[in-house]
Amino acid sequence: DTGVSQDPRHKITKRGQNVTFRCDPISEHNRLYWYRQTLGQGPEFLTYFQNEAQLEKSRLLSDRFSAERPKGSFSTLEIQRTEQGDSAMYLCASSLYRPGEETQYFGPGTRLLVL
Amino acid sequence: EDQVTQSPEALRLQEGESSSLNCSYTVSGLRGLFWYRQDPGKGPEFLFTLYSAGEEKEKERLKATLTKKESFLHITAPKPEDSATYLCAGCSGGGSEKLVFGKGTKLTVNP
Repeated sequence: DTGVSQDPRHKITKRGQNVTFRCDPISEHNRLYWYRQTLGQGPEFLTYFQNEAQLEKSRLLSDRFSAERPKGSFSTLEIQRTEQGDSAMYLCASSLYRPGEETQYFGPGTRLLVL
Repeated sequence: EDQVTQSPEALRLQEGESSSLNCSYTVSGLRGLFWYRQDPGKGPEFLFTLYSAGEEKEKERLKATLTKKESFLHITAPKPEDSATYLCAGCSGGGSEKLVFGKGTKLTVNP
C-alpha cells in the first residue's frame, strides 16, 4: 500500500504564471483534502472532495485557485496568475471516511516559490 | 471560531529528559483530536487519534492523552531522533471533518 503522493515536490515560478499540482491519494480512500502551510504555521484547510464531488471550499481559496478530482481518483490544484503571497507548502491528504474513522494521511507536499 | 493552541512553541530537551507538550482546543462538534509529527520539508506523519475524554494511546516513547479541553503528548526518555515539530489538530464535525491545526511545538533533543 503506497501512501499519498504529490507531484512536483518543488516548483519555482514567476509572478503571474499559472501552476498545477497533482495529488494521488491512497487507492481505496474516498476523501481527499488540500491544505496550505506557511513557515512556522500549521496547515490550513483549503478544500476537500468526497469521491469526485468538491463539497467545501475555504475562504482562503480565492477565485485564482481551482481544484478538481475527475473520476474520484487523483486531484489537481491549479493556481492562476500566481502572487508572491502564494508561496507555501501545498499538502494533500486522504482518508477512508466512515463513522469513527477520520484519520487523514498526508503526502510529502509541493513547495511553491513565487518570484 | 474553531481554534487549537499549542505550547510551548519550542522545547529543548537533553536525551533522556522526559516532558509534555500541550494542546488546548475549542472545536465545535469535535470528531477527534489528532497528533502528527512533521520533519523539515516533509508532510505531517500521523501519530495518534483520540476520540473521547480520558482516552490514552501509546507508541514507543510517546503517549497522548485527552481531556475535555486539552490534549497532552508525553515524551518519555526522548532520543535525538524524536526531534521534529509536533502538530495537534482538532477534527470539526459538520460534514467535512476538516482538520484545524495548531502552530506546532518544535522539539529538539540534544545527545
